Amino acid sequence: AQSVTQLDSQVPVFEEAPVELRCNYSSSVSVYLFWYVQYPNQGLQLLLKYLSGSTLVESINGFEAEFNKSQTSFHLRKPSVHISDTAEYFCAVTAGASKIIFGSGTRLSIRP
Amino acid sequence: DAMVIQNPRYQVTQFGKPVTLSCSQTLNHNVMYWYQQKSSQAPKLLFHYYDKDFNNEADTPDNFQSRRPNTSFCFLDIRSPGLGDAAMYLCATSTSIRDGAFFGQGTRLTVV
Repeated sequence: AQSVTQLDSQVPVFEEAPVELRCNYSSSVSVYLFWYVQYPNQGLQLLLKYLSGSTLVESINGFEAEFNKSQTSFHLRKPSVHISDTAEYFCAVTAGASKIIFGSGTRLSIRP
Repeated sequence: DAMVIQNPRYQVTQFGKPVTLSCSQTLNHNVMYWYQQKSSQAPKLLFHYYDKDFNNEADTPDNFQSRRPNTSFCFLDIRSPGLGDAAMYLCATSTSIRDGAFFGQGTRLTVV
């Protein structure tokens, strides 16, 4: 069965500093991988996804994630964070034809 | 705008009193999901529909039921809510697992 592990429950960083949110997955079959962002009292919004091909995927707001098959990881990075990036970030993996399984989330807090 | 709409955003119900949460979509997606998200936890898949085919997760309590009368609407029924059922309930849709899931704003359920 597929599973997702987010190693850090909270990550505090200073504004304009780089950040990396870690995600590892477990699966015996090929999967699709996603990062979602959730702002307080809101639903989840898709940030970026990996389907196949280039292992580096980017979002429109400066985040990127790199798929590493040998390490079964899909870490999310941003070179310079902004206060508005404060949110909870969820890594997710497909399981079967139509299911999506989420990790436990990483709360990113930005300090001015 | 095409979207997923959950009503109400906030629901307070009494212990043991049946409650129904609703979700509608204008995306014409064939897959609809219900997730339960407790504070600081991963969204947990309760069940999903692939068209009219209902897929229940093995660990979803019998207290939770769902109906999908047509493509656009999906309901979550909690027959006898307990204090432990207080959570954010997220509805999501998808047309292809490759695109991930598109989420509504969620309904926060309080049980008193």
